[in-house]
Amino acid sequence: EPEVTQTPSHQVTQMGQEVILRCVPISNHLYFYWYRQILGQKVEFLVSFYNNEISEKSEIFDDQFSVERPDGSNFTLKIRSTKLEDSAMYFCASSVPSYLTGGNTIYFGEGSWLTVV
Amino acid sequence: DAKTTQPPSMDCAEGRAANLPCNHSTISGNEYVYWYRQIHSQGPQYIIHGLKNNETNEMASLIITEDRKSSTLILPHATLRDTAVYYCIVRAMEYGNKLVFGAGTILRVKS
Repeated sequence: EPEVTQTPSHQVTQMGQEVILRCVPISNHLYFYWYRQILGQKVEFLVSFYNNEISEKSEIFDDQFSVERPDGSNFTLKIRSTKLEDSAMYFCASSVPSYLTGGNTIYFGEGSWLTVV
Repeated sequence: DAKTTQPPSMDCAEGRAANLPCNHSTISGNEYVYWYRQIHSQGPQYIIHGLKNNETNEMASLIITEDRKSSTLILPHATLRDTAVYYCIVRAMEYGNKLVFGAGTILRVKS
């Protein structure tokens, strides 16, 4: 069964360093998302991406964050200068419209755990 | 801005049906009801979704009341591996819409 894959599974970085989290969405999907979950807290939406541009972003997604789809398969989240409070699990997700089932179901990857020290 | 209300936790005996309720009294006509679960901080896993008819797949059944103000997710024969946080989310039909997660229901399946 197709799945969203994310790398790395875990990364430790120094405060102030740049981090790039990578995702390979499901191959025929058109909409891409990043979410994060701070330990013990809710899953929070960061950004959605469609047709090579951001379609929606949350207040969390400030100028320190950026997303890119550099080729036909990868979708990346970059954090330019990490802070301690960026420590979280980051989930990539993707979806495609389904005329058969209605709506467009979002499928998530297993996450990248980022620890900022 | 949660649009759903779920009990914070529930217990279920292994092998029995787990019935997880969700209230969404302000649901709009163009909104689906989605259910996801999250096991041990893994990525949220899609379970099922519906608009107004009851739905069933290999994982679960979704029962939506006729007025669409509430729904129940049914896991017919719960196993220990079904212990997870279950999220009920209402989401508009428009393609590309995000999911907004609440706190969900912690389901503990006990032997």
